[in-house]
Formats: sequence, structure tokens, C-alpha cells
Amino acid sequence: AQTVTQSQPEMSVQEAETVTLSCTYDTSESNYYLFWYKQPPSRQMILVIRQEAYKQQNATENRFSVNFQKAAKSFSLKISDSQLGDTAMYFCAFMKLRNQFYFGTGTSLTVIP
Amino acid sequence: EPEVTQTPSHQVTQMGQEVILRCVPISNHLYFYWYRQILGQKVEFLVSFYNNEISEKSEIFDDQFSVERPDGSNFTLKIRSTKLEDSAMYFCASREDRVTDTQYFGPGTRLTVL
Repeated sequence: AQTVTQSQPEMSVQEAETVTLSCTYDTSESNYYLFWYKQPPSRQMILVIRQEAYKQQNATENRFSVNFQKAAKSFSLKISDSQLGDTAMYFCAFMKLRNQFYFGTGTSLTVIP
Repeated sequence: EPEVTQTPSHQVTQMGQEVILRCVPISNHLYFYWYRQILGQKVEFLVSFYNNEISEKSEIFDDQFSVERPDGSNFTLKIRSTKLEDSAMYFCASREDRVTDTQYFGPGTRLTVL
């Protein structure tokens, strides 16, 4: 079975600072995908960034980047230059090849002005 | 930019009543999903649907649940006899094809069972 663990239920960061959200997962699969989704108060699930497990290079999307450590089964999200609009719940998700998602319990991030 | 839409945004129903939650996936997408999120908890997979049939379902998706793609655009989730514990946010998602991996989520329907 696949499990996704987010050990930080809540985090806060000063505006313009950098914050890292942790995620670990457990799987016996060799090919899979990892995602970070953002859920603002509106409850919409918004894709932030994705990573293919077969790629060694860490994904980057503007201010968002990941640190993917396949051997350690770790997939952390770094948000640089935090903005007030980054305040949201962040979910780490694992997907076997083109299959259902397995979500973590989420990290509530608050950006403080 | 194309997006997944869901209606209604909020549904209130009495226990034991049937509800139908509606989703319009992105038009060229072939794979469809329903997830639910009980308040304060993580998002949980319910069911996936492809080629007019269920491809996978979780243990949550029991006989009270059914899905349908009645026409070329809508994808519905029916709960036959709602229970208090069905109160949750229900998310629809779609994926383009067999090759792509990203699922795009709708804004969700908040279901409240009284």
C-alpha cells in the first residue's frame, strides 16, 4: 500500500522569506509521480508542481521547487519569496503510473505580513 | 484555460435522501475521478472511470455510490441514501489521456447531510 506522510500540520513564514514543507512516502513501486497541490480557503485544489520519479533533476516552477530524494522517499517543497497569496493548505500526493492519487494529511501554511 | 467545473457548490440534504453531484471534466480528457475530503482530513480517492466503466474504486465506494457519464460532457456521482458521515467536500478530477499523469481538480461540492 502507498502512504504519504506530512509531519508538519501547521507552518508559518514571514512574507518574502523561504519555507520548506516536508513530505515522505512509502511505496514498492519504481515508477511513480509526486505532486504538490495547494488548497486555499476557497477549497479549490490547485496543482503547484509535479515530479516524475525517474527524473533525477528536481522540478522547479517559478518560486516553487522540490527536493526529491528517491532513496530516502522524500519530496519536500520549497517556497521562495513567500507571498500572502501562498497562504493555503498544501497537500503532497503520490500517484502510481496513471492511477489514483494518495494524499498526505496536509500542511497549513500561513504567510505573515 | 479549460477547467473542471462542479455543481452545485454546496448541497444540503436530509439523511436518507439521494443526491447527485455533477462534474464537467475538461472536454478532451478521458479519465475521470471522484475524491472526497471530510472536514479537517485528507483527500481520499473514491473511484476512477474510463471508457464508460469504473476502472478502480476504494473501499469507501460501496453500494450506496454510483457514477455515470450520461452524455458526452457530464460525469456524476450519486449517493443513493445519504448518511451523516457522507458530509464532506467532493472533488471531481480529470486526466487527459493514458500518457499524461496530472489530474486537474474541480472546485468541489460541499455536501452537508442533516
